[in-house]
Amino acid sequence: DAKTTQPPSMDCAEGRAANLPCNHSTISGNEYVYWYRQIHSQGPQYIIHGLKNNETNEMASLIITEDRKSSTLILPHATLSDTAVYYCIVRPIDYGGSQGNLIFGKGTKLSVKP
Amino acid sequence: DAGVTQSPTHLIKTRGQQVTLRCSPKSGHDTVSWYQQALGQGPQFIFQYYEEEERQRGNFPDRFSGHQFPNYSSELNVNALLLGDSALYLCASSWYLASLTDTQYFGPGTRLTVL
Repeated sequence: DAKTTQPPSMDCAEGRAANLPCNHSTISGNEYVYWYRQIHSQGPQYIIHGLKNNETNEMASLIITEDRKSSTLILPHATLSDTAVYYCIVRPIDYGGSQGNLIFGKGTKLSVKP
Repeated sequence: DAGVTQSPTHLIKTRGQQVTLRCSPKSGHDTVSWYQQALGQGPQFIFQYYEEEERQRGNFPDRFSGHQFPNYSSELNVNALLLGDSALYLCASSWYLASLTDTQYFGPGTRLTVL
């Protein structure tokens, strides 16, 4: 079972920041938080991941609370093409071998509206 | 640089038949994982192949089997198809001995409909 809890859906106005929350209260010290998104009828796409520090890349920012029990994915200026299902995933890192596979929940369906 | 490719795009089968789905990993990747995604659900992990061996397996029956070839491409086989096997089948590739920053790259999927 997925170790994360996300709201089933959210709306965001085009051009505004989209803030997607995720709870992972049982996360372990060797587990990272990953975010993927899936645009309709496509395969999931990697967005960002982090351990305990905030992370930023060209797609998004990831804010992880100090106790690591929750995180927020931020899309700073949402566009219509950001409409997708966003998955928050807790993933163990197996040092020296396969990184383990992804356990998806149902995610958050983000609708960006004009 | 070609990404992950899958074939066919769509497939229609009847109950009891067998199906084979194919996946070519992203260039430079050596590991292939397969996922099943039912309508309205997140993808569920089926199994992972590395060095032509099944390395990890999710909670799927033996009707689901796979193979990896020396060129790292992979096949997913499903026998005795059930209506409940209708889903989007996703392939993801990665490096087995990856750095901590590695991620899985997904293909576009094969939509299987069982009638």
